[in-house]
Amino acid sequence: GENVEQHPSTLSVQEGDSAVIKCTYSDSASNYFPWYKQELGKRPQLIIDIRSNVGEKKDQRIAVTLNKTAKHFSLHITETQPEDSAVYFCAATPSGGSYIPTFGRGTSLIVHP
Amino acid sequence: GAVVSQHPSRVICKSGTSVKIECRSLDFQATTMFWYRQFPKQSLMLMATSNEGSKATYEQGVEKDKFLINHASLTLSTLTVTSAHPEDSSFYICSAVETGTSNYEQYFGPGTRLTVT
Repeated sequence: GENVEQHPSTLSVQEGDSAVIKCTYSDSASNYFPWYKQELGKRPQLIIDIRSNVGEKKDQRIAVTLNKTAKHFSLHITETQPEDSAVYFCAATPSGGSYIPTFGRGTSLIVHP
Repeated sequence: GAVVSQHPSRVICKSGTSVKIECRSLDFQATTMFWYRQFPKQSLMLMATSNEGSKATYEQGVEKDKFLINHASLTLSTLTVTSAHPEDSSFYICSAVETGTSNYEQYFGPGTRLTVT
């Protein structure tokens, strides 16, 4: 089955700095890679996603890059703000219609004002 | 946008009793829903895949007789925790995938905090 590794587990940055979270996956059949933000006690919220036919996607301060050959993808947050503080999860979803993602362990991002 | 509701949002029950959690897709149909369990400071752990009109598919290590799943309609899946014990205390989250779309996006419910005393 799929195995997703996520690093770092904790990331502490100053407001205004950039934050980068990296994930690797093992199943070359995975072709959908969402990133979720989860605040304490709340549901995961999709913040950005990328499909395997695209190498990079950007939405304002958030960007995701995908390297299919190396089987890794990264989340980039620029100009971080205290409200970006949360746990971020990456996931990899295989093709074939099962829709079952494998989640990374999560990264706790702390943005200090 | 697609909305998934979950009820109740939190529940406290006594050891040995059963608790039912509902997951509803409010503005779309969902042939497939997922049930996750999340312990503090941990990732989402998939418990089972719920398919409308058929038996749920459970992940390895999840007791199907303890966690009963019923997906009786295209907008409702229920998870019943039977004979609950304190170790079942957790945050239970459902998600749904819109029927008939090639979009893999999962829409998550707000979660249910279960505390077993």
